[in-house]
Amino acid sequence: DAKTTQPTSMDCAEGRAANLPCNHSTISGNEYVYWYRQIHSQGPQYIIHGLKNNETNEMASLIITEDRKSSTLILPHATLRDTAVYYCIVRVRNGGSQGNLIFGKGTKLSVKP
Amino acid sequence: KAGVTQTPRYLIKTRGQQVTLSCSPISGHRSVSWYQQTPGQGLQFLFEYFSETQRNKGNFPGRFSGRQFSNSRSEMNVSTLELGDSALYLCASSLGHSGNTIYFGEGSWLTVV
Repeated sequence: DAKTTQPTSMDCAEGRAANLPCNHSTISGNEYVYWYRQIHSQGPQYIIHGLKNNETNEMASLIITEDRKSSTLILPHATLRDTAVYYCIVRVRNGGSQGNLIFGKGTKLSVKP
Repeated sequence: KAGVTQTPRYLIKTRGQQVTLSCSPISGHRSVSWYQQTPGQGLQFLFEYFSETQRNKGNFPGRFSGRQFSNSRSEMNVSTLELGDSALYLCASSLGHSGNTIYFGEGSWLTVV
């Protein structure tokens, strides 16, 4: 089973920041938080990942709470093309195997004009 | 740099037939994993191959099998197709070491009639 809890759906106005929350209260010390998104009928797209520090790349920012039990993905200026299902995944980063991804149901983000 | 390439993108098969799906990973990636996505079960891990060896396996019946070639390209096969096998089959690749980011292809849509 997925180790994360996300809201089923969210709306965001175009041009505004989209803040997508994720709870992972049972996360272990060696587990990272990964975010993927899936636009309808396409394969999941990697967005960002982090361990305990906040991370930023060209797509988004990831804010992880100090206790690591929750995180927020921030799309700073949402566009209509950001409408997708967003998946928050915790994943072990140690060990020999790459580890498979366990997807939950994700959050369906709808960006509206 | 080309992404993960899957062929065919769409196919229709009859119950009882078998199907083979192909995946070419990102250049330099040695790990290939397969996922099944259905509306009811969501995204589920099938198996992972690394250096031509199956390294991880999900909870699917033996009708689902795969292999990896020396050039890291992979195929998955489903025998004795059932209506419930209708799904989006996703291939993903990574460098194969602990924690390497996993990148997905666009998927192969299989319809069983």
